[in-house]
Amino acid sequence: DTGVSQDPRHKITKRGQNVTFRCDPISEHNRLYWYRQTLGQGPEFLTYFQNEAQLEKSRLLSDRFSAERPKGSFSTLEIQRTEQGDSAMYLCASSPDRPSSGNTIYFGEGSWLTVV
Amino acid sequence: DAKTTQPNSMESNEEEPVHLPCNHSTISGTDYIHWYRQLPSQGPEYVIHGLTSNVNNRMASLAIAEDRKSSTLILHRATLRDAAVYYCILIPYFGNEKLTFGTGTRLTIIP
Repeated sequence: DTGVSQDPRHKITKRGQNVTFRCDPISEHNRLYWYRQTLGQGPEFLTYFQNEAQLEKSRLLSDRFSAERPKGSFSTLEIQRTEQGDSAMYLCASSPDRPSSGNTIYFGEGSWLTVV
Repeated sequence: DAKTTQPNSMESNEEEPVHLPCNHSTISGTDYIHWYRQLPSQGPEYVIHGLTSNVNNRMASLAIAEDRKSSTLILHRATLRDAAVYYCILIPYFGNEKLTFGTGTRLTIIP
């Protein structure tokens, strides 16, 4: 399978701990996105990378959140000092650089975070 | 960003066609109409997209109104595996960085 891969799929952590999620985009996709989704809601944009450059960040991405994409390949999303309100599914998506096929983006299966 | 409006929920009987509507009255000329679906505990899955003409693929058909202000996703023969939340979103030709999802339509299939 050459789709977007996310790890771990599920994470339970105690409040105040740090967590890190990893995303491997589809090969040769230069664009990578992180979204967050809470129960009953649609995905909400967090941040976007073009290769290794982080070009846009949502106001949802507080100081406790940091995302990186070293060498323009995989990406990590770290949440420091987790709070219960961080409990959500974190989705990664990728797309080619040039608009093609309707500018479609492709999502991974998500990483569920539960903060207790 | 152009927004879309969908019914919160719909029900359909198994093996019957399903028509899922979406309104996008503020669509711009360079916006693609995309449909994704999300099964429980999974990420959104691409279903189909179109610009002006109706589109068919192995999963579904997309009917686009002549003025492009609405569209309909058609599942020709619903199965239990089609039970999911369906999202209609607009993706600009230039700039797919920040997509706006609504709450989608939760489709229930009745056996």
